[in-house]
Amino acid sequence: TQLLEQSPQFLSIQEGENLTVYCNSSSVFSSLQWYRQEPGEGPVLLVTVVTGGEVKKLKRLTFQFGDARKDSSLHITAAQPGDTGLYLCAGTPSTGNQFYFGTGTSLTVIP
Amino acid sequence: NAGVTQTPKFQVLKTGQSMTLQCAQDMNHNSMYWYRQDPGMGLRLIYYSASEGTTDKGEVPNGYNVSRLNKREFSLRLESAAPSQTSVYFCATDRNYGYTFGSGTRLTVV
Repeated sequence: TQLLEQSPQFLSIQEGENLTVYCNSSSVFSSLQWYRQEPGEGPVLLVTVVTGGEVKKLKRLTFQFGDARKDSSLHITAAQPGDTGLYLCAGTPSTGNQFYFGTGTSLTVIP
Repeated sequence: NAGVTQTPKFQVLKTGQSMTLQCAQDMNHNSMYWYRQDPGMGLRLIYYSASEGTTDKGEVPNGYNVSRLNKREFSLRLESAAPSQTSVYFCATDRNYGYTFGSGTRLTVV
């Protein structure tokens, strides 16, 4: 059982569509990070959310941390082929010191 | 550019062979990590080093050894490679605000 469950696992959409990726846990996290990994490369940090209810925007990407700090979402507006990649959420539970990665969402944006 | 450098990029080993994966960072961070990434399993921590001279086991340390040679370098050694160690290996460093990963080593053990 993974501490951070992401959904959907796979997503294939047309260029211009909107999408939302979810990261859920039964544990409270002190913060959550989102990474994007392109084929053949390591994950790259996109954002860190720290406060419950926090919303951060990075161009067409909107990240939200749940009020209870047990979940987070990533919304992409008007997806582009350059958004293709594996999206990972990650963080450390408030009651522990181990860092966990989510299971990942593989996104393909078709031109 | 500041970052994490891993070598080699690709490697094929025969079962029983040994090899060392090299990692160097120029970000002056204390913490360094080795992860493996497998389909359906996500990223799993093999070993980490909180500071120069210290190393600790992660989630999947069996079959691996590490050396924190100095603050910049953290190597991962496979003494006797097994097919189960076929994976993509990532080195990373962090300073509380997020990980910086290398570009990975794709290892195949036949």
